[in-house]
Amino acid sequence: AQSVTQLGSHVSVSEGALVLLRCNYSSSVPPYLFWYVQYPNQGLQLLLKYTSAATLVKGINGFEAEFKKSETSFHLTKPSAHMSDAAEYFCAVSDPYNNNDMRFGAGTRLTVKP
Amino acid sequence: ETGVTQTPRHLVMGMTNKKSLKCEQHLGHNAMYWYKQSAKKPLELMFVYSLEERVENNSVPSRFSPECPNSSHLFLHLHTLQPEDSALYLCASSQDKGGIDTGELFFGEGSRLTVL
Repeated sequence: AQSVTQLGSHVSVSEGALVLLRCNYSSSVPPYLFWYVQYPNQGLQLLLKYTSAATLVKGINGFEAEFKKSETSFHLTKPSAHMSDAAEYFCAVSDPYNNNDMRFGAGTRLTVKP
Repeated sequence: ETGVTQTPRHLVMGMTNKKSLKCEQHLGHNAMYWYKQSAKKPLELMFVYSLEERVENNSVPSRFSPECPNSSHLFLHLHTLQPEDSALYLCASSQDKGGIDTGELFFGEGSRLTVL
């Protein structure tokens, strides 16, 4: 079964600095990969997804992620953090050969300092 | 109205009460899900319905009872809950359970449940 590991439950960056949130997956088949964001008291919102097309995926709010099969990674980046990026970020993996069952990572809370 | 709507957004109940959470999706999807989100824990999948039939129940206590009367509506009936059931309950929908779809989930804003 597939699984996801997010390295670092908390990440703190200064406004304007690079954001890097790490995600490694485990899957026996080519997976679909997702990043979701959750703002306080809200549900999860899709940031971007990888579905076996281009390995560099661009999402909303200036975020992007690169699928690296050799490293089984799907790290999320943004060149310049904004205060409004403060939220919880979840990486998820879906197995297209197993009814697209989705498994979520434990989440990474991003804090942006002024 | 668009997307996935959950009501109520906040609910406080005693351990002997009976209440229900409601979810409605306006996306034309045919699969719906209940997730539990507790502090400092990963998202827990509770129930999955595909074409109004329950296809997955991840060992959830019987004090949680789901109902899916049609592909647009999903309920979670609650009775004799425990304080540890206090959490954010998230509803989600997807276009299909299996097939060629990517499995992308669309979430509601959640129902914050507090059990006293």
